[in-house]
Amino acid sequence: KAGVTQTPRYLIKTRGQQVTLSCSPISGHRSVSWYQQTPGQGLQFLFEYFSETQRNKGNFPGRFSGRQFSNSRSEMNVSTLELGDSALYLCASSLTSGRLSYNEQFFGPGTRLTVL
Amino acid sequence: AQRVTQPEKLLSVFKGAPVELKCNYSYSGSPELFWYVQYSRQRLQLLLRHISRESIKGFTADLNKGETSFHLKKPFAQEEDSAMYYCALSHFNYGQNFVFGPGTRLSVLP
Repeated sequence: KAGVTQTPRYLIKTRGQQVTLSCSPISGHRSVSWYQQTPGQGLQFLFEYFSETQRNKGNFPGRFSGRQFSNSRSEMNVSTLELGDSALYLCASSLTSGRLSYNEQFFGPGTRLTVL
Repeated sequence: AQRVTQPEKLLSVFKGAPVELKCNYSYSGSPELFWYVQYSRQRLQLLLRHISRESIKGFTADLNKGETSFHLKKPFAQEEDSAMYYCALSHFNYGQNFVFGPGTRLSVLP
């Protein structure tokens, strides 16, 4: 079974631009979560989507948004990019939206975003 | 607020020596604790979860609610254990998401 895939793997943008990242979950998985990883803040939760609905959101500004399609693929968008948005963005998928102890999240390889 | 701390950024041990990676959490409830591992050039992957009381690759972790700790232990470290280890906490009432610790890089020396 193919793992979680993320595209693109690397991206360079300039301040003020916007960016869209894509995540394809493992086949059959309906929940997709997004995380931001930076050297200073570590791994931080952005949001979770299940059945095309945002179920949970982390403490990030409204510039960060996402959506999920009927095939469970998800995209996240960052508008008006800032230098501090440079990070590795990780996507994780799981079968359902439930207790993580019984619903393992599988992580993708990440998209490395650099904002100049 | 939920918080996970891992006091050591880097831990170096010799092959065959015991390993203990420390993890403490703050949470006013019944958390679910996990250890994730990231080997060089690989994805973040689940190592073990406290609810399973399992031993994976020789690693064990016991949840100590009194000390709010979930330390990861292995009696005899192997070179292939060298990796980045993250302790993570979740609570279902807050949705399906992890609060990760900052991570500890384990280096097992030959």
